[in-house]
Amino acid sequence: AQSVTQLDSHVSVSEGTPVLLRCNYSSSYSPSLFWYVQHPNKGLQLLLKYTSAATLVKGINGFEAEFKKSETSFHLTKPSAHMSDAAEYFCVVANSGGYQKVTFGIGTKLQVIP
Amino acid sequence: EPEVTQTPSHQVTQMGQEVILRCVPISNHLYFYWYRQILGQKVEFLVSFYNNEISEKSEIFDDQFSVERPDGSNFTLKIRSTKLEDSAMYFCASSERTGGPKNIQYFGAGTRLSVL
Repeated sequence: AQSVTQLDSHVSVSEGTPVLLRCNYSSSYSPSLFWYVQHPNKGLQLLLKYTSAATLVKGINGFEAEFKKSETSFHLTKPSAHMSDAAEYFCVVANSGGYQKVTFGIGTKLQVIP
Repeated sequence: EPEVTQTPSHQVTQMGQEVILRCVPISNHLYFYWYRQILGQKVEFLVSFYNNEISEKSEIFDDQFSVERPDGSNFTLKIRSTKLEDSAMYFCASSERTGGPKNIQYFGAGTRLSVL
């Protein structure tokens, strides 16, 4: 069984300040972990992924995430928020092997205040 | 960059009617998926498809749903008799593999289904 918990449904930051979106997971197998972003009325865009290589993963648009097995966490960070970062972010866990079952978190809406 | 395309972007239908949602996955991908997102809720897995058969399905994917790859490029989701609660955004995804570094699922922009 696997699950994802996104700890905040809404996060609000000022433009230029750091972003932290929290995600905890549980998985019976070695997981693959992803962050996707969804802008209003748009599809899901992959930000970054962890698939058992480096634990610190860099993605697009300055985002990065660190896989911490001891804490079962995969938090998404960015040093400085931009207005265009306002969107909904989904943490996703997938089993590494076999047919891939993917589980989404509930999503975190990021608001960026000018 | 290759992308998954979905048509139509918005489908309006009457309750009880059949709908077919269409997807064109990325051309060298072998694994295909459908998800749905009811307004205000999380994205839910519906079904995965490989080698012309369903590899896994969720409890949501009942007899009203079916998937097909009718030719070498399209991947379709059919809902036989739509219900009001089928109103949602439906996402198609495809991946090259299911394990290792190529197990990334690429998503389409979605089809918004409105059942009246």
